[in-house]
Amino acid sequence: QLQLQESGPGLVKPSETLSLTCTVSGGSISSGDYYWGWIRQPPGKGLEWIGSIYFSGTTFYNPSLASRVIISVDTSKSQFSLKVKSLTAADTAVYHCVRERNTVTSENWFDAWGQGTQVIVSS
Amino acid sequence: SYVLTQPPSVSVAPGQTARITCAGDNIGSKTVHWYQKKPGQAPVLVVYDDSDRPSGIPERFSGSNSGNTATLTISRVEAGDEADYFCQVWDRTSDPYVLFGGGTKMTAL
Repeated sequence: QLQLQESGPGLVKPSETLSLTCTVSGGSISSGDYYWGWIRQPPGKGLEWIGSIYFSGTTFYNPSLASRVIISVDTSKSQFSLKVKSLTAADTAVYHCVRERNTVTSENWFDAWGQGTQVIVSS
Repeated sequence: SYVLTQPPSVSVAPGQTARITCAGDNIGSKTVHWYQKKPGQAPVLVVYDDSDRPSGIPERFSGSNSGNTATLTISRVEAGDEADYFCQVWDRTSDPYVLFGGGTKMTAL
């Protein structure tokens, strides 16, 4: 069964860069049927898509975050990563890594989620 | 940009039917997916492509989409169905193009 596990620091300082990694097990990160991505949920708020990556390295980002975000993939380690720079308190959220089903219509859905990791931005 | 509007909360007695709506301009022309999120747990896909269920999701969960409203219907509600439910669409003309509704807290009274 597919499992996604986030790892990274729970507390980061304002203006610094957040680095999170998602390890994929029980499935191939190189499958052409899927993208891999990140979604976050700030406290008391809804879900916000951050971006997605294909195993080839093609990326799609939320335009509101694109200037501060980089998503990368390492197929040899079955991992993909998220970097968010210039952090502010508004980046405080639970960050989930997700598997995104790639469809011919491109109206994709997220069919597997990691448990999520709490990130607090505070000095 | 495109906006998805959900009611903040829905309450229903166990055994009854809960209907959670997701409103958007001509949402019937888009494909809607639904997620269930319980506190401290990862979200779970419960309906995709408007009305399809992933394996393992009970038949009590169903979806529809027409006009300006998509609906997630939970029949014979159980206490274990209490959760936040989010709708989601892709809209390549929007910014961003992956959009979630604000979420609906479903309570089994």
